[in-house]
Amino acid sequence: EAQVTQNPRYLITVTGKKLTVTCSQNMNHEYMSWYRQDPGLGLRQIYYSMNVEVTDKGDVPEGYKVSRKEKRNFPLILESPSPNQTSLYFCASRQRADFGPGTRLTVL
Amino acid sequence: GQQLNQSPQSMFIQEGEDVSMNCTSSSIFNTWLWYKQDPGEGPVLLIALYKAGELTSNGRLTAQFGITRKDSFLNISASIPSDVGIYFCAGPLIQGAQKLVFGQGTRLTINP
Repeated sequence: EAQVTQNPRYLITVTGKKLTVTCSQNMNHEYMSWYRQDPGLGLRQIYYSMNVEVTDKGDVPEGYKVSRKEKRNFPLILESPSPNQTSLYFCASRQRADFGPGTRLTVL
Repeated sequence: GQQLNQSPQSMFIQEGEDVSMNCTSSSIFNTWLWYKQDPGEGPVLLIALYKAGELTSNGRLTAQFGITRKDSFLNISASIPSDVGIYFCAGPLIQGAQKLVFGQGTRLTINP
């Protein structure tokens, strides 16, 4: 089954504790991206990747890092999470965006 | 920053009613996308529009690409309970077509 998977689905952490949210797709798409969803703001793009080793900033990249070492995986890294990064995060593949199921992150 | 404005932000309707929502921008778009997000899930693409004036249907859903290329419309006919959710418009910025921008969403609630 063609899909985008994210892990974990739910995460509660504390300020400053590094975390990684994984994203994987099995559709051989070159383009992958990360979004955060906040009430009243819709979805905002954090980072995107056109292909392996090619990444670029979206609209809200501050406080996030990504890597794209293989085509299928695009992890989102928060080196030092802060409470304002509490949000619902979506990974997507393809420029028309096939979305994953989401990761709800709470930073205390 | 945010470049798409959706209206209305929320709708409360009776089952069976028709629904209309729109999305506007100060910039021209070459593609308009409409998504639906069910509670607890990621958005799912409903309709994609690629040409000014284009009218495309997907079942009871119809979307139109405005002729000015700065707006798009989504209509749902004869609403049913499973239409409940948040509807988003989106489009790739012409400058930097790799970036996809989204509207704030229209939350649809249906009273049976």
